[in-house]
Amino acid sequence: GAGVSQSPSNKVTEKGKDVELRCDPISGHTALYWYRQSLGQGLEFLIYFQGNSAPDKSGLPSDRFSAERTGGSVSTLTIQRTQQEDSAVYLCASTTGTSSLAGNEQFFGPGTRLTVL
Amino acid sequence: SQKIEQNSEALNIQEGKTATLTCNYTNYSPAYLQWYRQDPGRGPVFLLLIRENEKEKRKERLKVTFDTTLKQSLFHITASQPADSATYLCAYISGGYNKLIFGAGTRLAVHP
Repeated sequence: GAGVSQSPSNKVTEKGKDVELRCDPISGHTALYWYRQSLGQGLEFLIYFQGNSAPDKSGLPSDRFSAERTGGSVSTLTIQRTQQEDSAVYLCASTTGTSSLAGNEQFFGPGTRLTVL
Repeated sequence: SQKIEQNSEALNIQEGKTATLTCNYTNYSPAYLQWYRQDPGRGPVFLLLIRENEKEKRKERLKVTFDTTLKQSLFHITASQPADSATYLCAYISGGYNKLIFGAGTRLAVHP
């Protein structure tokens, strides 16, 4: 079946513009995560969605960042008034279970490479 | 704060040798660790999970160990091949759900 897809694959924008990044998780996966990966760095957790529960936004770096997940499926990460330090690869992942005891693997999309000029 | 560290320097080895990558964690006692492979321009791909009560886990040419006393996990690739060249990330779960804390990854280069 189809994996996690993200669009666009690349986005170049000017400082101060808003951008929207899209993630289509694997069908049936109830949990969805957004991560950010800067050059040469590990993945930084941004936000987590699980079903109809309130999302965990603890990783969002500033109030310019927001995300929503409509209908428990597609998610959009929005960055307002982009800054050069926002340049990174934004990765989306989905998984089936909710229990940390299961240690369910996360399935990642290919990422969106954002460049802010 | 919780930290997970991997060797930042690239590991260069000869084809056929065993590659060993290290993952150390502090200020936390994870119930298990996950290892992922990441190729340039792609998202990470899950490889192995090892639980705290497991000393060792194997999958084909891959082997992972988990030493809760040393707070360390080792990732081995035996009979390495150039196709194994990639960045390898370790991660553990933080919190009551599957929020992963990742290391920065170690880049492995296997030379023919």
